Amino acid sequence: QQQVKQSPQSLIVQKGGIPIINCAYENTAFDYFPWYQQFPGKGPALLIAIRPDVSEKKEGRFTISFNKSAKQFSLHIMDSQPGDSATYFCAASRQGAAGKLIFGTGTRLQVFP
Amino acid sequence: DTAVSQTPKYLVTQMGNDKSIKCEQNLGHDTMYWYKQDSKKFLKIMFSYNNKELIINETVPNRFSPKSPDKAHLNLHINSLELGDSAVYFCASSQEGSHWGYTFGSGTRLTVV
Repeated sequence: QQQVKQSPQSLIVQKGGIPIINCAYENTAFDYFPWYQQFPGKGPALLIAIRPDVSEKKEGRFTISFNKSAKQFSLHIMDSQPGDSATYFCAASRQGAAGKLIFGTGTRLQVFP
Repeated sequence: DTAVSQTPKYLVTQMGNDKSIKCEQNLGHDTMYWYKQDSKKFLKIMFSYNNKELIINETVPNRFSPKSPDKAHLNLHINSLELGDSAVYFCASSQEGSHWGYTFGSGTRLTVV
């Protein structure tokens, strides 16, 4: 129930493509779903986050789609750029968990020119 | 100014040694965390402190002991290091245990030989 399953493990797209990363969860008590971006040698950085009362959130070229009934959420990167090449992690947490984030297993994205 | 800073960035040591990793945040956050990232990039929480009080202690060997002298600092001491302890250790902070907006440090790569 504490797991967050993420796929694919790796993704290769060309510049301008729209990579999609998917995550699924079991615990219906989760109420916060962030995405983190990690570049080599750096710590993860918060990219965008969503709560289950909305089905979509956009910030720049990054969009989260959220399907509460299916317990799934996904990250779409519009007009992807080589600078987006990084590892992306979905995560989930719930109120009363002292801020504990459960991370997905990560997706390594490579965007080629 | 670095928001969450960890030292050292790299640590190579022999099995059986004792080592410490230091973390400091200047964001005024109340909660700090230690996460471990293994060779497959999986991120797992180890500990969390809120205002110097331990609030999360995952199933971590007793050889790992966190210490928080004040709310801006969270150190990690590891006794009797083992090969399996090799990983990247990330410190993070957030406001009042809120799962909103973790800020991660850049990590400490620990290699046990």
